[in-house]
This record gives sequence, structure tokens and C-alpha cells, in this order.
Amino acid sequence: GAVVSQHPSWVICKSGTSVKIECRSLDFQATTMFWYRQFPKQSLMLMATSNEGSKATYEQGVEKDKFLINHASLTLSTLTVTSAHPEDSSFYICSAPRTGAGNTIYFGEGSWLTVV
Amino acid sequence: KQEVTQIPAALSVPEGENLVLNCSFTDSAIYNLQWFRQDPGKGLTSLLLIQSSQREQTSGRLNASLDKSSGRSTLYIAASQPGDSATYLCAVLYNAGNMLTFGGGTRLMVKP
Repeated sequence: GAVVSQHPSWVICKSGTSVKIECRSLDFQATTMFWYRQFPKQSLMLMATSNEGSKATYEQGVEKDKFLINHASLTLSTLTVTSAHPEDSSFYICSAPRTGAGNTIYFGEGSWLTVV
Repeated sequence: KQEVTQIPAALSVPEGENLVLNCSFTDSAIYNLQWFRQDPGKGLTSLLLIQSSQREQTSGRLNASLDKSSGRSTLYIAASQPGDSATYLCAVLYNAGNMLTFGGGTRLMVKP
């Protein structure tokens, strides 16, 4: 079964509204989680690093006021797309590293956002 | 700048063929390398994970190799099936930050 759960899988929202996407590590604690975005036929691009108990670190070109990240606990990070526009329509996916043997990184199922 | 490149970008083969997907990376100081599969509208599925000290990993019909000195990894798929049709992504983990650097992916189509 999944070790990182992402919700919702699909969401359609109206332009100008805000949408929250949740990423949960199910059976391990993750002090760091990563949020990626993928546009059609392109590879994943890192948006930001979510840090439990502190501010997220954003990649260059990603608006921190538009993509709000909250890592309130060791098992939950949320990404809120504020004042969404059609160009924000994309596939958003989170990942969480599980430290230990292999340093495996687990991915959520992803969230398809469509802004109409 | 650490970059990961995958070739070809797209590949179409008849069912039953053996095929090779290529991944190259510019910085050889990697921690590990992973191959993922992504089906349309779905998340990522991890296929194989190769640690920097390893040269290859095998799972069923899949075999991934790693040559750090040349900055290359290959994913070998034996006896391809239509169900193998998907996008295959290679991603490199470097020491700092636990952040993966992804290649552009190879879109594979296996025709029955």
C-alpha cells in the first residue's frame, strides 16, 4: 500500500479561488517533503522544499505568496494554490524521503488541478 | 549545474522487443539513482533503486545499470508488453537536501 498519500487526486476549481492539496506520510515521519509540478509532456520540476516547523524553501521562479506551503506536523504538508488561474492547471506531486537503508524517497499519487 | 538527460524522448516498439532506455547525468557524485514509471494521469511508481556503490539492479523483466564514471544509467526492458507503455523517468539523488533531479523522461509505446 501507499506510504505517502496525497489528496485530492483530482480537483477542478474556478479561477480566483484557492485550492489546498495535502501530502501525508502514512507510517513514517518526514521532517522534509518536496512539492513538484509537472506540465503536460514535461518532466517533474521541483517547486519547493517543505520543512517541518519552519518556512518552506522555494525554487527560483516559484511565487511563495501564490503557492503556500505548511508543514505543520511530521506527517503532513499542505500546498495551497491561492487565487488560482488557468495557467496553474497542472499535475502536482509530493514526495517524502524515508531515512534509513537506501534513503528511499516515496511519492504521493499526485493531484491533477484544473482551473476553469 | 546538475543535469539529468534521457534519450530517446519517445520510443515506439512492437510487442516482444527488448529495449534500452538511457539516462545520463553531469555530476557523478551521486548518492543513488532511481527509475520511475508514470502512467497517464497517475503518480510515480518506483521501479528500481541503484545505490552509488552498486552497478545494477534487477526486478523481473527490468534491469538497470549504473556507471558513475561515465555518468550513465540504462534501463533494460526484456520482452516488452503493451502494458509497459508509460513514461519512464530517471532521477538522481545527490548528497545534499534529499532532492531528486529528474530527467525529461522517455515516453514508451509498445504496440500489440
